[in-house]
Amino acid sequence: AQKITQTQPGMFVQEKEAVTLDCTYDTSDQSYGLFWYKQPSSGEMIFLIYQGSYDEQNATEGRYSLNFQKARKSANLVISASQLGDSAMYFCAMREGLGYLTGGSNYKLTFGKGTLLTVNP
Amino acid sequence: DTGVSQDPRHKITKRGQNVTFRCDPISEHNRLYWYRQTLGQGPEFLTYFQNEAQLEKSRLLSDRFSAERPKGSFSTLEIQRTEQGDSAMYLCASSFWGAGNTIYFGEGSWLTVV
Repeated sequence: AQKITQTQPGMFVQEKEAVTLDCTYDTSDQSYGLFWYKQPSSGEMIFLIYQGSYDEQNATEGRYSLNFQKARKSANLVISASQLGDSAMYFCAMREGLGYLTGGSNYKLTFGKGTLLTVNP
Repeated sequence: DTGVSQDPRHKITKRGQNVTFRCDPISEHNRLYWYRQTLGQGPEFLTYFQNEAQLEKSRLLSDRFSAERPKGSFSTLEIQRTEQGDSAMYLCASSFWGAGNTIYFGEGSWLTVV
């Protein structure tokens, strides 16, 4: 089974509008972290936002917010007020086994296949 | 701002040649990672160092691949006898030790094997 599923291969949004990029995950660990990265055509993976499994509040970083629904195992990225420079690939990733007692791979990121976001003027 | 830097950014090589990529992590980051990304896919984990010790290698890392981090600072990834299937982007990343610490990536090294 896929650990990270991004069901939207491509998304389009008008400049200045908000857009939600979907991400669902699969893990049996209780302690894990969820990340979103942006990858423009230059190739660099740019960290956007992080949500820990025990964080009670949804993470926010400027125009980025993470809609974390633990029971549904979803961690959707919301970008508000889209800008032309937001056009890029967006990857959801998970880091499992963050609990110190679990002995899991707490350093490895597992990525989804990504969503290509295009912002139209 | 000294982020993760990788060199070279692009490499075109003939099949059968050896190539080496270098990664300079963010200073004082004790963890260093290599990932590989092929077209249309997300990055896949290759290997991981804590300081100079290589603690895990993925099954993706065949015996033609070797990675080193001799002094716990920069790292090299060497591919011997390259094959066309090795064509991909090789991403380096680094982080501090710690459960929630963010992993920061470099710009990647594109490899094309012709």
